[in-house]
Amino acid sequence: EPEVTQTPSHQVTQMGQEVILRCVPISNHLYFYWYRQILGQKVEFLVSFYNNEISEKSEIFDDQFSVERPDGSNFTLKIRSTKLEDSAMYFCASSEKRFTGELFFGEGSRLTVL
Amino acid sequence: GQQLNQSPQSMFIQEGEDVSMNCTSSSIFNTWLWYKQEPGEGPVLLIALYKAGELTSNGRLTAQFGITRKDSFLNISASIPSDVGIYFCAGLETNFGNEKLTFGTGTRLTIIP
Repeated sequence: EPEVTQTPSHQVTQMGQEVILRCVPISNHLYFYWYRQILGQKVEFLVSFYNNEISEKSEIFDDQFSVERPDGSNFTLKIRSTKLEDSAMYFCASSEKRFTGELFFGEGSRLTVL
Repeated sequence: GQQLNQSPQSMFIQEGEDVSMNCTSSSIFNTWLWYKQEPGEGPVLLIALYKAGELTSNGRLTAQFGITRKDSFLNISASIPSDVGIYFCAGLETNFGNEKLTFGTGTRLTIIP
């Protein structure tokens, strides 16, 4: 069964460092998303991406964050200068159809900022 | 932003029992969904509801989209050990061609042996 894959599964970084989290969405999906989950809390929307541009972003997704689809398969989330409060599980998701809420999530990348 | 409150926050039940949980919002959603998250995994879609009043089943799971469009509930009948996990409701807003899925606070289900 097709799945969303994310790398790395866990990254430890020093505060102020840049981090890139990578995702390979399901191949025939056109809509891509990043969510984050701080330990023990709910899943929070960061950004949605379609047709090579951001469709919507949340208040969390400030200037320190950026997304890119550098080629036909990868979808990346970059955090320019990490802060302690960026420590969380970051989930990539993709969807075949729009306006359904039917997202397929990856297993997540755990980011620990020291 | 939108807030979706789920209750109960956690449940401890015995195998075979039925489970009921709900989700309420101060705002209207066009679509309600229920996701399940197991340890170390991303959320997995269980049920999607598209019309107010809709009642939908998926095996032992039944969910309803509230008439007011501000709430939803999920029932699990005859619970089994693999039902353990965190259940999240999610509401979908669609405005001006954009969409945003907001997750609830979660209900953690534990099954006591």
